[in-house]
This record gives sequence, structure tokens and C-alpha cells, in this order.
Amino acid sequence: NAGVMQNPRHLVRRRGQEARLRCSPMKGHSHVYWYRQLPEEGLKFMVYLQKENIIDESGMPKERFSAEFPKEGPSILRIQQVVRGDSAAYFCASSPGQAISGANVLTFGAGSRLTVL
Amino acid sequence: QQQVKQSPQSLIVQKGGISIINCAYENTAFDYFPWYQQFPGKGPALLIAIRPDVSEKKEGRFTISFNKSAKQFSLHIMDSQPGDSATYFCAASSPITGNQFYFGTGTSLTVIP
Repeated sequence: NAGVMQNPRHLVRRRGQEARLRCSPMKGHSHVYWYRQLPEEGLKFMVYLQKENIIDESGMPKERFSAEFPKEGPSILRIQQVVRGDSAAYFCASSPGQAISGANVLTFGAGSRLTVL
Repeated sequence: QQQVKQSPQSLIVQKGGISIINCAYENTAFDYFPWYQQFPGKGPALLIAIRPDVSEKKEGRFTISFNKSAKQFSLHIMDSQPGDSATYFCAASSPITGNQFYFGTGTSLTVIP
């Protein structure tokens, strides 16, 4: 079990370019969460998705940010027209989303670090 | 509204001492309370977790104490070591709240040799 795979691990973009961050959840996990973390700060929730559905996007900025989790392939967090303030570590996490007594364990990836020049 | 409140923001402990981090939650529907450990440059990793049907869970030097009536839970690190220096996050979740995870703001722990 390879765990939660994120790529790229490091991404450098110039202002105005697009950033695409990818996340492959753990095998058997159908729920994906994206978080943003600034240096020395906590985890800020962005979006929660299941396959082909956005469950909760209350933490996503209304403009320039979008996320998807298609039926096939990884989840993608897309940031259009990046600005310097988008520089951060973006973490993806996945869970099995069990609604019964089994623990709904959340497992994080290693993160993608975006630097906007 | 912060669903999970964590304190202190930072903590310095001598090697061999006990580190204690506290969290409080609002929603009584939460039924799963994990703690995550994050080292610089790494993703958070699950450290230990508890469900409200027990008041304490211990794994090695790490113990979660849970007080359901007070809606509080805490992480105790016994015999703290320099290698425990990291940021610790508490969290809460429940299928009733849509399997969303609510995180505390984190505690930066430094263990001095």
C-alpha cells in the first residue's frame, strides 16, 4: 500500500500561471480532502470530495481555485492565475469514509509545496 | 467558528518531562478524536486516536485522556524526548457531520535536551 501520493512535491510558478496539484488516495479510500498550510501555521481546510462529487468546498476561495476527483485518476487541485499569496504547502488526505464503527482514519500525503515567484 | 480549540500554541519541555496538549470541542456528535504529529517539511501523520466510549488510551509513551462530559481531550507525552519535537494537531470527526475532520490550530512542541 503506497499511501497517499502527491505530486509534484515542489512546484514553482510565476504570477499569472496555473498550478495543478495531483493526489492519488490510498487504495480503498474514496474520500479526498485538501488542506493548505502556511509556514508556522495550522491546517486550513479547503475542499472535501468523493468520486465525481464535491461534498464540502466551504474552505475554497471563490475565485481561481477548483478541485475535482474524477471516476478514474487522481484528485486535482487547480489554481489559476497564481499570486504570491498562494505560496504554501498543499496537503491531500484520504479516508475510507466509513459510517459504521470502524474508524474513519484520515491519512495524509507528503504535500506539494507551491512557490509563486 | 472553531469547532476544535487547542492549547497551548507552543510548549517547551525538558527531556524526560511530561508534555500535555489540550483540546476542547463543541459538537457532541463527534465520535472520533485523532492526534497528528507533523515534522517540518513533512505531512501530518496519525499518532494516536480515541473514541468516546473509553476515557483513556495509551500507546507507548503517548496517552490520550478523554472527558466526555467536559467535551475535552488531551495528549500526554511521557518521558518526552528531543525527537518528539514537532507540531501536534488534534482533530474531531463524525459520520453525522459528514465525515468532515475539524482540526485544532496546532501546538509546536520543543523538547530541550
